[in-house]
Amino acid sequence: GENVEQHPSTLSVQEGDSAVIKCTYSDSASNYFPWYKQELGKRPQLIIDIRSNVGEKKDQRIAVTLNKTAKHFSLHITETQPEDSAVYFCAASPNPGNTPLVFGKGTRLSVIA
Amino acid sequence: GAVVSQHPSWVICKSGTSVKIECRSLDFQATTMFWYRQFPKQSLMLMATSNEGSKATYEQGVEKDKFLINHASLTLSTLTVTSAHPEDSSFYICSAPQTGGPSFYEQYFGPGTRLTVT
Repeated sequence: GENVEQHPSTLSVQEGDSAVIKCTYSDSASNYFPWYKQELGKRPQLIIDIRSNVGEKKDQRIAVTLNKTAKHFSLHITETQPEDSAVYFCAASPNPGNTPLVFGKGTRLSVIA
Repeated sequence: GAVVSQHPSWVICKSGTSVKIECRSLDFQATTMFWYRQFPKQSLMLMATSNEGSKATYEQGVEKDKFLINHASLTLSTLTVTSAHPEDSSFYICSAPQTGGPSFYEQYFGPGTRLTVT
């Protein structure tokens, strides 16, 4: 089955700096790669996703890149703000319409003002 | 976007009792729902896949006789934790893909249920 590795487990950055979180996956059949932000006690919130036919996607300060050959994808947050502090999870799935997401272990991001 | 609700949002029960958690898709039909469990400072771990009108599929290591799943309709799946013990205390979250919806790839998460077994 799919296995998703996520690094780093914790990340501290100064406000205004960039943050990068990286994930690798094992199943070449996976074709959907979402990123979630989770605040304490709340549900995961989808912040950006990418499909296997796209190499990069950007939404304001957030971008995701995908390298299918190397089986890795990354989340980039620019101009970080204190409210970006949370736990971020990457995930992968070969068919999210009827198969579950496999999550990475998460990255705790702290943005220091 | 599509909405998934869970009830209750939190529950405290005594060891040995059973607790039922409901997961509802409010504005779409979900033939499949997924149940995850999240322990403090850990990731979401899939427990089982709930299929409308058929038996659930459980992940390895999850006791199907302890975690009973019933997907009785296209909008409701229930998870019953039977004979709960303190080690079952966790955050339980359901998710559902919107079958045939415009956002085929997105799965919608419920708000989660915090279970504490004393």
